Parts: sequence; structure tokens; C-alpha cells
Amino acid sequence: EDQVTQSPEALRLQEGESSSLNCSYTVSGLRGLFWYRQDPGKGPEFLFTLYSAGEEKEKERLKATLTKKESFLHITAPKPEDSATYLCAVPIYNQGGKLIFGQGTELSVKP
Amino acid sequence: EAGVAQSPRYKIIEKRQSVAFWCNPISGHATLYWYQQILGQGPKLLIQFQNNGVVDDSQLPKDRFSAERLKGVDSTLKIQPAKLEDSAVYLCASSPSGSSYNEQFFGPGTRLTVL
Repeated sequence: EDQVTQSPEALRLQEGESSSLNCSYTVSGLRGLFWYRQDPGKGPEFLFTLYSAGEEKEKERLKATLTKKESFLHITAPKPEDSATYLCAVPIYNQGGKLIFGQGTELSVKP
Repeated sequence: EAGVAQSPRYKIIEKRQSVAFWCNPISGHATLYWYQQILGQGPKLLIQFQNNGVVDDSQLPKDRFSAERLKGVDSTLKIQPAKLEDSAVYLCASSPSGSSYNEQFFGPGTRLTVL
């Protein structure tokens, strides 16, 4: 069964305290992995797409990496404005872009 | 470029009542998705349209949910009758095509509360 699991469910950091979020997946025929950010009361906002194991992408304080079984979202020296829920999602093979989402990691960064 | 628009933003109804949500995707996007997001969970796909045809509705509770996309642009999602467990945020997303490689752009969502 295709499945995406994120950990931890919630993460509290002090400003400047670096950490990582994990996204584990079990799907047949990986066609990529997406990271989204979701602020309260808003829809998910696209961050990154990773297509193959070993790929890395960066945006400001965020860096996403991909292996054959999981992806990490590394947050370096976070700021309070990085507080949000981070979602990862994987497209299901041969189903026209259908995504399976993890349950998300709620990140809180305190000043 | 205008994003995905949804309305209403909030809706409160009694159980067994009906409700409808509207979505206007990004101009030119052929693929439109409706997701249900229950508090504390990730979005779950309800239905996917490619232009005005249904690609996937395997997780749509068809005894109470219906959706249409007239002329391949706007879409409406209806619930009739609503149950307590339908309380959730309903998200609409669009992408240029149904390719697995395309990112999806999400609207702000409609928060539904069923009392």
C-alpha cells in the first residue's frame, strides 16, 4: 500500500536552533516528492520538488534532500516566520498526478 | 498571476443540510483537484478533473458528494446531506496538466463546520 509518514508530528525550536523534518514513503515507482508549507487558515504553498535519490534543493534557510526511502527538510538557523506546518507528498505511479500527503510536521520557532 | 480562488471561505451548517463550494483555478490550468483536509491530517484527494472530464473519483463518497467542472474551468463541489464527519477544510488545487511532475497550486480552502 502506498504510504507517506512524517515525523515528528510537532517540533518546537528556539530561533537559530537548526533541525530536520523527516518524510518516509512507501510507493511503487517513485516519480518525485513534493514539499509544501501550510500556514494556518491557508492552502499549502509549494516549496520543492525532488525527482531522484541524491538530489538536493535549497531555498533560504530550507534544504530538502531525497534518498530511496525518505526525504529530509533541513532548517538552518530558523526564524519565527518559519513557523508553519510542513507537508510532504508523493505522486502515485500512473495515476495522473494524484498525490498522497503525509500528515505534516507542525513547526514552531520561538524568538 | 492570479492564484486559485475559492468561496466561501467559511461555512457552518446543520447536519443533513446541503452545501456547495466553488473553485476558480489558475487560468490555463487543465487539471483541477478537490481535497479534503481534516484537522491534524494531510490533504486527501476527493476528485481530479482533466479539463471537464473526471480522471479519479475513487475516494469521493458518491452517495453524498458530487462535483462538476463545466466548460473545463470553474468547479463546484456539493455535499448533500452533510454529516458531522464532513467537518474539514476543502481545498481546491490546479496544475497545468495531470503529469506527476507538475506542482499543484492550492487555493485558500473553505472551512466547513457541520453541527
